[in-house]
Amino acid sequence: GAGVSQSPRYKVAKRGQDVALRCDPISGHVSLFWYQQALGQGPEFLTYFQNEAQLDKSGLPSDRFFAERPEGSVSTLKIQRTQQEDSAVYLCASSLQGTGYNEQFFGPGTRLTVL
Amino acid sequence: KNEVEQSPQNLTAQEGEFITINCSYSVGISALHWLQQHPGGGIVSLFMLSSGKKKHGRLIATINIQEKHSSLHITASHPRDSAVYICAVKSNTGKLIFGQGTTLQVKP
Repeated sequence: GAGVSQSPRYKVAKRGQDVALRCDPISGHVSLFWYQQALGQGPEFLTYFQNEAQLDKSGLPSDRFFAERPEGSVSTLKIQRTQQEDSAVYLCASSLQGTGYNEQFFGPGTRLTVL
Repeated sequence: KNEVEQSPQNLTAQEGEFITINCSYSVGISALHWLQQHPGGGIVSLFMLSSGKKKHGRLIATINIQEKHSSLHITASHPRDSAVYICAVKSNTGKLIFGQGTTLQVKP
């Protein structure tokens, strides 16, 4: 496709379940970002990949959150033992390069609800 | 204090009014984004700028690097402009730091 896609679009999980969220960036985009947006708030940075290398994971809120991009294309954000405070929209964005004057293109997000 | 501050948080306007949303930031940046988010929708980039002024249709974005301030203007506002407008600065490490957003409602 032409844009960034994410799946699933909606996910309902019971507290304690593990979830996996997928992001397909724009073909050829080197950089990939994950953001978390709580209800009524602006997005917050989680982690950043350049190709397959995770260069910054300073925004991951706990060790229950794990992200990977093994082949430098598709990325998966995994949340283990989900908690209610994990309920949010998880946004993925990609850009040609992460640094400098390169626009980030956003996916539609995955809305996670933890019951 | 947040690194990116937007004002106002909420804005209600009548159709046709001129609208200004402000953004101030406190970190070094390589660029600044203005983004639009509709309820339940994804984020669309309106502008990315690092200096001066950009115009696209009824939208105008300006940035003053020395004062660390940017504004988004909407001329002749329309109900379809109703959305959340988010200012995001691109730090020198590449990650975006977002403001809290401004919820705009334009009434017919």
